[in-house]
Amino acid sequence: AQSVTQLGSHVSVSEGALVLLRCNYSSSVPPYLFWYVQYPNQGLQLLLKYTTGATLVKGINGFEAEFKKSETSFHLTKPSAHMSDAAEYFCAVSSRYQTGANNLFFGTGTRLTVIP
Amino acid sequence: DVKVTQSSRYLVKRTGEKVFLECVQDMDHENMFWYRQDPGLGLRLIYFSYDVKMKEKGDIPEGYSVSREKKERFSLILESASTNQTSMYLCASRPYEPGQGGNEQFFGPGTRLTVL
Repeated sequence: AQSVTQLGSHVSVSEGALVLLRCNYSSSVPPYLFWYVQYPNQGLQLLLKYTTGATLVKGINGFEAEFKKSETSFHLTKPSAHMSDAAEYFCAVSSRYQTGANNLFFGTGTRLTVIP
Repeated sequence: DVKVTQSSRYLVKRTGEKVFLECVQDMDHENMFWYRQDPGLGLRLIYFSYDVKMKEKGDIPEGYSVSREKKERFSLILESASTNQTSMYLCASRPYEPGQGGNEQFFGPGTRLTVL
């Protein structure tokens, strides 16, 4: 069974500070890993994903995430927060053994606030 | 660009009404999904479909049904709306490629449903 844990439902950072959003997964086989962002009153947009290969993945808007198998983690980072980064962020996983529609399993989300 | 559209952004209904939420995608994707999003709970899968006329229950199907008569359209039906179905509903689609479970899901903008 797949599950995702996002530590911290709310994270506040100052503008220009490091952003770190945590995601840990539970799976017997390392899954595919995704980070999505949701701006107010909008749907979800893919930030980045890890499928195979290099474990440090770069995404849009200066975000990146590193897959660490030994820690079962896929934390999202950005060196310098911008006001426009204020949003809700979701970590998600899907199985490498594709069955049916191969669903995504989502974490409960982390709301990022950026303080001017 | 992939586009997933939902018939309404905001909807207000009364208890006991039958409610239809429509979702259309324009990229010929095989897989389509309905989620509901509630604060602190993240996204929970209601139903999904991997082909026309095919459907499978997700994690919280009770009180809902779906219809997929055409590949591009996936409808969510609340047979008799109740106040606990007040939520944000998100539709998503995803292409099916054998062995490519890492394909992302593309989301619509969401429908915020209020049941009075």
